[in-house]
Amino acid sequence: EDKVVQSPLSLVVHEGDTVTLNCSYEVTNFRSLLWYKQEKKAPTFLFMLTSSGIEKKSGRLSSILDKKELFSILNITATQTGDSAIYLCAVEASNYKLTFGKGTLLTVNP
Amino acid sequence: GAVVSQHPSRVICKSGTSVKIECRSLDFQATTMFWYRQFPKKSLMLMATSNEGSKATYEQGVEKDKFLINHASLTLSTLTVTSAHPEDSSFYICSAKQGNYEQYFGPGTRLTVT
Repeated sequence: EDKVVQSPLSLVVHEGDTVTLNCSYEVTNFRSLLWYKQEKKAPTFLFMLTSSGIEKKSGRLSSILDKKELFSILNITATQTGDSAIYLCAVEASNYKLTFGKGTLLTVNP
Repeated sequence: GAVVSQHPSRVICKSGTSVKIECRSLDFQATTMFWYRQFPKKSLMLMATSNEGSKATYEQGVEKDKFLINHASLTLSTLTVTSAHPEDSSFYICSAKQGNYEQYFGPGTRLTVT
């Protein structure tokens, strides 16, 4: 059975801090790993990673995948209160099915 | 990014009635659509996978006669919760995918069954 484990489950930081969110996985027939941000509604797409060692970057967010060690990290630098959300990691199998982790609840205090 | 819409965003219905939720991909053709269910403070759980023009594939434990899925076109899939009961109250989210690209999620539908 495909499995995704995220850590930490929750994190509280101050504005300006840098955070690293972790995601480890076990999946049969890996296709990709995806990061989503979920606030009050449905998840919004952040990154899709398919290759090891290639960092994807969008503003203050970046992510990298290690297919040998089966994990990914999501970094957020200079955090802002608007970054407060649940960050979901999901792995996509060859049949396009996503298996989600439980998420990391990030709270950024002013 | 791509846009996926859901309608309605919120619905309250009486026990025993049926509710239909629509999922549309607005600016791309979705070869595959997925339906998820999310309970409070829990992650998303895949209910079924739907390919245009063919029957949906349901995950283990999901009753296909209760959760009817139709994917009649490349831009529209519907989920009908039949004979709804209070335990069906949940947040239902669809996602849509074109080929090998990432899945984009709709805004979700909050169903409350009284």
